[in-house]
Amino acid sequence: SQTIHQWPATLVQPVGSPLSLECTVEGTSNPNLYWYRQAAGRGLQLLFYSVGIGQISSEVPQNLSASRPQDRQFILSSKKLLLSDSGFYLCAWSVRQGRRETQYFGPGTRLLVL
Amino acid sequence: TQLLEQSPQFLSIQEGENLTVYCNSSSVFSSLQWYRQEPGEGPVLLVTVVTGGEVKKLKRLTFQFGDARKDSSLHITAAQPGDTGLYLCAGVRGGGSNYKLTFGKGTLLTVNP
Repeated sequence: SQTIHQWPATLVQPVGSPLSLECTVEGTSNPNLYWYRQAAGRGLQLLFYSVGIGQISSEVPQNLSASRPQDRQFILSSKKLLLSDSGFYLCAWSVRQGRRETQYFGPGTRLLVL
Repeated sequence: TQLLEQSPQFLSIQEGENLTVYCNSSSVFSSLQWYRQEPGEGPVLLVTVVTGGEVKKLKRLTFQFGDARKDSSLHITAAQPGDTGLYLCAGVRGGGSNYKLTFGKGTLLTVNP
C-alpha cells in the first residue's frame, strides 16, 4: 500500500531564517506530487506540482521554491521566511484513472514564523 | 473569484439532525471529489463522482453530482459528533493532461452531542 510522509510535523522559525520541508511517498512509482498551503483551516492553495524528477511548476509567485531530487521525494524550501509564510503545508500525491484524479494527502506540517 | 463555491461556510447542528452542504461552480468538471479534514491532519478522500447525475452513498453520507457536472451536494443523515470536520470539494476541469485539483474553501461542520 502507498503511504506519504511529511516532516517535521511542527516548526517554529524566526523571520528571515531558511526553510526546508520534506515529503516522501512509498509504494508507488512516478507519482504526481503537490505542495499546498492552507491558512486558518480553510481552503487549500496549490503552491507547486511536479510530474517527474526535476520538473516543477509553480502556481503562484511567492517566497518559496520546490525541488524533486528523487522520484518520490518533494521538498519545499525558502531562503528567507516571511511572517506571511505561516500556515499548514500539505503534500499530496495523485493517481489518475480515466477522469478520476484522486489525491492523497500527507499529515501536514504546521509552520509558525515569528 | 472562487472557482468552486461551497456553502454554507459554517454549520453547527445537534446530533441526529440532517444536513446538506453544497459545492457550486459555473465551470464543468470532469470529476469532483469530496474530502473531510480533521484539525491538524490532511484531508481524507470520501468519494469521487464522475458522471452527471451520479449519486453515491457512503453509510449516512449521500453525494450527488449535478447533471451538468457543475455542482455537487453532500447530504448527511442523522449526523453524529464524529462527522465534525471541514468538508472540502475539489474538481478537475477538462481532461487530457490536466491533473490539477481546484478546491473550494470548505464547509466547517460541528455536530454537538
